[in-house]
Amino acid sequence: EVRLVESGGGLVQPGGSRRLSCVVSGFNSGSYWMDWVRQAPGKGLEWVANINQDGSETYYMDAVKGRFTISRDNGRNSIYLQLDSLRVDDTAVYYCARGLIRFDDWGQGTLVAVSS
Amino acid sequence: DIQMTQSPSSVSASVGDRITITCRASQDIKTWLAWYQQKPGKAPNLLIYSASSLQRGVPSRFSGSGSGTDFTLTISGLQPEDFATYFCQQGDSFPRTFGGGTKVELK
Repeated sequence: EVRLVESGGGLVQPGGSRRLSCVVSGFNSGSYWMDWVRQAPGKGLEWVANINQDGSETYYMDAVKGRFTISRDNGRNSIYLQLDSLRVDDTAVYYCARGLIRFDDWGQGTLVAVSS
Repeated sequence: DIQMTQSPSSVSASVGDRITITCRASQDIKTWLAWYQQKPGKAPNLLIYSASSLQRGVPSRFSGSGSGTDFTLTISGLQPEDFATYFCQQGDSFPRTFGGGTKVELK
């Protein structure tokens, strides 16, 4: 069974940092591009970043470039998203997802709330 | 960035109805288009990829069509479990972008 489990969310002050983790099982994560997609409360889906199989290639949405960093540890079947210089409008559920062109599998999400 | 515009934003329907949701891309995305279903408090679930290919395990009442800039998702014979929000997503270029969503509600 394919599983993606995110963790690391919580309440953080504006300007603060947070590190999200996604542990995958049921497939060889090192064979796939992996993504982070977020959803602000009551809003639509927004792709954030992705990373290729060996971590040598990454892409980001403009609003998070220079503030967020995606990485992976294939030995631990894990993908990470480092969130720095957080803003109120970064408040969202952050989902880990598998895929490059489309997102075949998703985790349950972890909520990051940015508020003073 | 490629803008994805979905319509309608909401639709009221009854069990058994046939509904169609439209997604328009701001530029040619060939058939790099996926559709997702999302229920409240849950992660999205892939329904259709490459504009018209049914994801494994998805009922055949879901179908997709289109290419270039205009795409449709059709649900033929709406079931109670289909009342949800649907999103399109382009996979042609970065950043990946989603449509704003279509909420399918019970009439």
